[in-house]
Amino acid sequence: AQKITQTQPGMFVQEKEAVTLDCTYDTSDQSYGLFWYKQPSSGEMIFLIYQGSYDEQNATEGRYSLNFQKARKSANLVISASQLGDSAMYFCAMRDISGAGSYQLTFGKGTKLSVIP
Amino acid sequence: SAVISQKPSRDICQRGTSLTIQCQVDSQVTMMFWYRQQPGQSLTLIATANQGSEATYESGFVIDKFPISRPNLTFSTLTVSNMSPEDSSIYLCSVRTQGVSEQYFGPGTRLTVT
Repeated sequence: AQKITQTQPGMFVQEKEAVTLDCTYDTSDQSYGLFWYKQPSSGEMIFLIYQGSYDEQNATEGRYSLNFQKARKSANLVISASQLGDSAMYFCAMRDISGAGSYQLTFGKGTKLSVIP
Repeated sequence: SAVISQKPSRDICQRGTSLTIQCQVDSQVTMMFWYRQQPGQSLTLIATANQGSEATYESGFVIDKFPISRPNLTFSTLTVSNMSPEDSSIYLCSVRTQGVSEQYFGPGTRLTVT
């Protein structure tokens, strides 16, 4: 079974500052993928970034980077130069990618990020 | 990436009625899924929509309550049957494209049952 833990229900960050959203996971799968999604108040789920368990480099997508520490089973999202439009819920998720397991994405409970002007 | 549309975007329904939600993708995708997000909660997978065969339901979800169709590789419907206020949620269609690193969500259908 897979489990995602996001321990920060809410976070505040000053505009233009960087912020780290925590995510730890537990799985017995050898091959897995880690995802981060942003959910604004409109309700849509916006894909931000992906990290594969065998990827040696940390993933980056524009202002988003994923701090992947496999031994600690953590996959923290770093947002640089925060903008007011970054205010939203952020969900960490994972999935088995071996092809033999379930295709289900397992989600954490989310972190609500508020960017202060 | 895939462009996903859902209809309706929101609806208010009376208890005991049914609502069918449509999900359309702009390209053929290998897998389609339906998720539910209850107010203030995270996402839970309802079922995997299989093309040409019955959907695969997760524990706690049954076909009689959430019938799903997937007639082709770009379209699926989810029906929420005999609704009660507990069914008030956001329902999201999700698709997985060829790459393992890609899974996208539609804009969601915000359902309120009164």
